[in-house]
Amino acid sequence: DGGITQSPKYLFRKEGQNVTLSCEQNLNHDAMYWYRQDPGQGLRLIYYSQIVNDFQKGDIAEGYSVSREKKESFPLTVTSAQKNPTAFYLCASSADTIGGYTFGSGTRLTVV
Amino acid sequence: RKEVEQDPGPFNVPEGATVAFNCTYSNSASQSFFWYRQDCRKEPKLLMSVYSSGNEDGRFTAQLNRASQYISLLIRDSKLSDSATYLCVVYSGGGADGLTFGKGTHLIIQP
Repeated sequence: DGGITQSPKYLFRKEGQNVTLSCEQNLNHDAMYWYRQDPGQGLRLIYYSQIVNDFQKGDIAEGYSVSREKKESFPLTVTSAQKNPTAFYLCASSADTIGGYTFGSGTRLTVV
Repeated sequence: RKEVEQDPGPFNVPEGATVAFNCTYSNSASQSFFWYRQDCRKEPKLLMSVYSSGNEDGRFTAQLNRASQYISLLIRDSKLSDSATYLCVVYSGGGADGLTFGKGTHLIIQP
């Protein structure tokens, strides 16, 4: 079955560490997105990519980095510059419709 | 700043009842509208797009009121499995930056 796979499901980070969240899709979607969700808040866009080897910053890109070397993969690195990284991170993809997204099951990142 | 507002609830509704909730948006140029469902600690899943003429999918009906700038979701004959948070999503153009998620309305269906 086609879908989006995020890993790990839970991740613990020490302060000052960089961590990378994985997102892989086999839906043959061109566009991929990273969102962050905090309790009681709407999803906020971190980065997105419309095509391989190209990506754009979203509303809250500071402290994050991404790459898009393959159509299937869009990993997100949470760097030590991100001062409040504890959140639920969601990866999504879409074919050609902005808004009609398929989400991965998410990664819960906690700073310890 | 684009704004999408939802009543956070919770809406406590007996099983079998009809429930409706709205979502207001501030940008009159908004182009596309969606309802997503999110279960506790899970990812959002697309429930339905909202069309100008209104649309129905089984027990779910979505409507758009451009004059008053709101969309609505109506659930008939509610089931226990309908308990979830319902996210309103509005697209105002300009690529992924133009998509705004509401904070969600929490619905609890009680037996």
